[in-house]
Amino acid sequence: DVKVTQSSRYLVKRTGEKVFLECVQDMDHENMFWYRQDPGLGLRLIYFSYDVKMKEKGDIPEGYSVSREKKERFSLILESASTNQTSMYLCASNLGLAGAYEQYFGPGTRLTVT
Amino acid sequence: LAKTTQPISMDSYEGQEVNITCSHNNIATNDYITWYQQFPSQGPRFIIQGYKTKVTNEVASLFIPADRKSSTLSLPRVSLSDTAVYYCLVVDSRRLSNTGKLIFGQGTTLQVKP
Repeated sequence: DVKVTQSSRYLVKRTGEKVFLECVQDMDHENMFWYRQDPGLGLRLIYFSYDVKMKEKGDIPEGYSVSREKKERFSLILESASTNQTSMYLCASNLGLAGAYEQYFGPGTRLTVT
Repeated sequence: LAKTTQPISMDSYEGQEVNITCSHNNIATNDYITWYQQFPSQGPRFIIQGYKTKVTNEVASLFIPADRKSSTLSLPRVSLSDTAVYYCLVVDSRRLSNTGKLIFGQGTTLQVKP
């Protein structure tokens, strides 16, 4: 059974803290993604990675960075958390070069920044 | 960039067939139409994908007219467990860049009643 796991289901951080969200997939997928989901806005892509150490910005990369040192692990970093980064964060992965291939999602991390 | 438009919400009763239509007027030649389902507190789950005409799997059918400017997800004989948010998106089959095409949008909230 394919699996994408995220390090925390719920996280509460203070404004200005550095926050790390971890995602691990066990399917040997080349591509990994980070989204945030907000009411009324659907899912918006923050960053994605198509190979180890390779990354590209998504639609809303400001305030975030990512790290992919190993194929199975993709980290989202909030350098200095702000209250407007309170959201549900979803990690996903998929195969190959084509963006059309099915994405497998993790359960999400609900981050609250106070 | 292809943009999708779906109804915000729909209601149905158990045992009925549900059709959710998505419009994508600017769809490009290499775009595939993909549908995901999301339950509360979970990440989205791939349902079905198609390019033209009709695609059917064990869960749903996808109808795509010749002009491909819209598509319809059909769920046969829904049950209470089909209550979820359904997302339509179009994705370039050739490339992972141009990430504007990985916008999930607001989705359609389907409420199945007993």
